[in-house]
Amino acid sequence: GNSVTQMEGPVTLSEEAFLTINCTYTATGYPSLFWYVQYPGEGLQLLLKATKADDKGSNKGFEATYRKETTSFHLEKGSVQVSDSAVYFCALSGTNAGNMLTFGGGTRLMVKP
Amino acid sequence: DAMVIQNPRYQVTQFGKPVTLSCSQTLNHNVMYWYQQKSSQAPKLLFHYYDKDFNNEADTPDNFQSRRPNTSFCFLDIRSPGLGDAAMYLCATSRDKGMNTEAFFGQGTRLTVV
Repeated sequence: GNSVTQMEGPVTLSEEAFLTINCTYTATGYPSLFWYVQYPGEGLQLLLKATKADDKGSNKGFEATYRKETTSFHLEKGSVQVSDSAVYFCALSGTNAGNMLTFGGGTRLMVKP
Repeated sequence: DAMVIQNPRYQVTQFGKPVTLSCSQTLNHNVMYWYQQKSSQAPKLLFHYYDKDFNNEADTPDNFQSRRPNTSFCFLDIRSPGLGDAAMYLCATSRDKGMNTEAFFGQGTRLTVV
């Protein structure tokens, strides 16, 4: 079946540091890939997505590239802010029945001033 | 404007006392989902509706039921909550079930069982 593996957190960075959160996946076929963000006490919000190999999703300074050869979708940001502190979930959908999202375990990011 | 609305945001219920969580959407999406999320773990899909067609995940306990009386509303019923059911419950919608379809989440209802 499908699965998503993320680096464990928490990831603690100083403001303006470079961020990478690793995400790899296992799936048959060609899934769509997503990053969702969850701020404290809130639901999940879509951050970015990519639907085919070599696509780059981007939003709010965050980027991730769909790498079919390494089955990866790493999240990056060049300069994090305190307001980026949240839990980040990598997810995939497709290839099996319906549009069921399979989530990774989540990575907590803490950005210090 | 909120597009997926969950009520209440916080719910406290007694052990064994039935409780209902509600979700409404203004997106007119065909698909509605219920997820359970514990302690910042990955959300776990409980079930979903595609229009009126109900789909239960194989490992969802019988204690959890759902109703979708119309396109806009979906309810999660927990018949006899146990302490292990304390969690954040997330409702989500998507326009369809295609691969590239984005899921929109509500803010969640945090359930406490006492």
